[in-house]
Amino acid sequence: DAKTTQPNSMESNEEEPVHLPCNHSTISGTDYIHWYRQLPSQGPEYVIHGLTSNVNNRMASLAIAEDRKSSTLILHRATLRDAAVYYCILRYTSYGKLTFGQGTILTVHP
Amino acid sequence: DTGVSQDPRHKITKRGQNVTFRCDPISEHNRLYWYRQTLGQGPEFLTYFQNEAQLEKSRLLSDRFSAERPKGSFSTLEIQRTEQGDSAMYLCATPARVSGTDTQYFGPGTRLTVL
Repeated sequence: DAKTTQPNSMESNEEEPVHLPCNHSTISGTDYIHWYRQLPSQGPEYVIHGLTSNVNNRMASLAIAEDRKSSTLILHRATLRDAAVYYCILRYTSYGKLTFGQGTILTVHP
Repeated sequence: DTGVSQDPRHKITKRGQNVTFRCDPISEHNRLYWYRQTLGQGPEFLTYFQNEAQLEKSRLLSDRFSAERPKGSFSTLEIQRTEQGDSAMYLCATPARVSGTDTQYFGPGTRLTVL
């Protein structure tokens, strides 16, 4: 799977939007962009995924650059429960193992 | 709650002892994955089952590690002659279909501490 680059950490205030960036300059045309998050003392949790178009679900939005070399996970109103490690992952198949990087540690301040 | 359960949640053992972990996946999923996560790192893939067949093993899975999935249901991961470097969180996951692709539901993990 192609490599992704994320900032080590980010901070936000509660109820403010959060934009978590991910660079994936070597992405191939068939790579899906997946985001997972891991709350403290829990297993990773699926957040959202997309291929080319922007995607929205109840948890977040995913904005994908036109050239697909970067993407941004958007939490519209951060809550304290959103404090977690966020992982951006590329997958060239629709199934199979996940290859995690180190992710971004998101701290949310009250 | 993802529906994937793991037992035990925590295990403390002395170096050289054998340990076994269990994963009970969401029912009727034919694929099951094991990952290992050390402190400050993202999870790393260990092995993968389709039904009872173990189809892929990472080079991280040394000879001391063995995994089984009898009857294609629950799975066990055994570590023989544990070493301090085996201290980690062991996670299992089963797939879930979302918008045309497989995502993965993870269990809460088993945290192993080898003294």
